Amino acid sequence: DSGVTQTPKHLITATGQRVTLRCSPRSGDLSVYWYQQSLDQGLQFLIQYYNGEERAKGNILERFSAQQFPDLHSELNLSSLELGDSALYFCASREGCGETQYFGPGTRLLVL
Amino acid sequence: AQKVTQAQTEISVVEKEDVTLDCVYETRDTTYYLFWYKQPPSGELVFLIRRNSFDEQNEISGRYSWNFQKSTSSFNFTITASQVVDSAVYFCALSEVNFNKFYFGSGTKLNVKP
Repeated sequence: DSGVTQTPKHLITATGQRVTLRCSPRSGDLSVYWYQQSLDQGLQFLIQYYNGEERAKGNILERFSAQQFPDLHSELNLSSLELGDSALYFCASREGCGETQYFGPGTRLLVL
Repeated sequence: AQKVTQAQTEISVVEKEDVTLDCVYETRDTTYYLFWYKQPPSGELVFLIRRNSFDEQNEISGRYSWNFQKSTSSFNFTITASQVVDSAVYFCALSEVNFNKFYFGSGTKLNVKP
């Protein structure tokens, strides 16, 4: 167990809908990263937050947004969902001066 | 630009064989970090090792060993005497010095057959 929690574990929704994925980092970790892993694909970096501020953006669609709250948990919002958004979404956290990301168990999203 | 290449999409071995997973990276930074993660069939990503660009010492941890060579921009991972439990997808990753972004390879799926 990495100490990073993600909810929900599974999510099934329809095209056009909006969902929110939640991530709680390890205790004391200030950085949160979001990744998308589509079927048989590697991990695509979406966005990083550090202590509430956005630090880096990757291949994140405009329909997707994220934020990190004062208690350091983070949410990834996916809107106007399309079939192609079906994927495993991972959150990872890293302590302020640490070098390693630790991953949560992921949220498996299925868009029908 | 940063890039990680894992040319081996899938490898199949028989239990007890040794297997090496290749990882080649590209970066213009002089300081960077390299990682290996394991993703078993259950789906979670498990951290295996971290190496910074100034430490070229090879590392051994039980049946696992890692060979970092800056001259060839490679960070290869060897499993000795493979076991069925080693079956997983293995990802190599590269981080910028400020850790703002991590770049992952496409992964190598390892099948270890009994």
